[in-house]
Amino acid sequence: AQTVTQSQPEMSVQEAETVTLSCTYDTSESNYYLFWYKQPPSRQMILVIRQEAYKQQNATENRFSVNFQKAAKSFSLKISDSQLGDTAMYFCAFMKHGIRGGSQGNLIFGKGTKLSVKP
Amino acid sequence: EPEVTQTPSHQVTQMGQEVILRCVPISNHLYFYWYRQILGQKVEFLVSFYNNEISEKSEIFDDQFSVERPDGSNFTLKIRSTKLEDSAMYFCASKAGVLTGELFFGEGSRLTVL
Repeated sequence: AQTVTQSQPEMSVQEAETVTLSCTYDTSESNYYLFWYKQPPSRQMILVIRQEAYKQQNATENRFSVNFQKAAKSFSLKISDSQLGDTAMYFCAFMKHGIRGGSQGNLIFGKGTKLSVKP
Repeated sequence: EPEVTQTPSHQVTQMGQEVILRCVPISNHLYFYWYRQILGQKVEFLVSFYNNEISEKSEIFDDQFSVERPDGSNFTLKIRSTKLEDSAMYFCASKAGVLTGELFFGEGSRLTVL
């Protein structure tokens, strides 16, 4: 069974600074996706960034980037130039990749990291 | 921008009552999901639905739970006889196709069982 571990329950960062959120996972699968989702106080979960395991290049989305270390099963999120609107719960998630109907697609989430961006 | 919508946003019910949570997934999506988040805990997978049938379910999704897509647009989660421990935020999500990984989530329905 897959597991996702986020070892930092809470973090804080000053506005405009950089912060890195940690995530490790355990799986025997070779093909999978990894995601970071953001859940602000408004509670809707919003995709921040995703990484496909077969891609060696780390994904980037504007101020968000990941450090994907497949051998170490590590998937950290770096937020550059932090903004007040980045304050949220951040969840790391794993999804098996498959082509058989809808059998893939259930996300395994970590417990989340509560990020506070301070002015 | 298309989005997943859920109703109600908050429902309070008495233990033992039936509850139906409703979701309207993004219109061209093919895969549908329900997740649950008990307060302060991680988000947990409940069930996935594709081609008008359940494709996968978790241990949480016991006989008290059911899902259906009655009219081609709504996707519902029914809890037949609610228990106190069913109190949680329930998230609906949808996904476009097999090769796309991204799930789009709704804002959630908060269920409080008294």
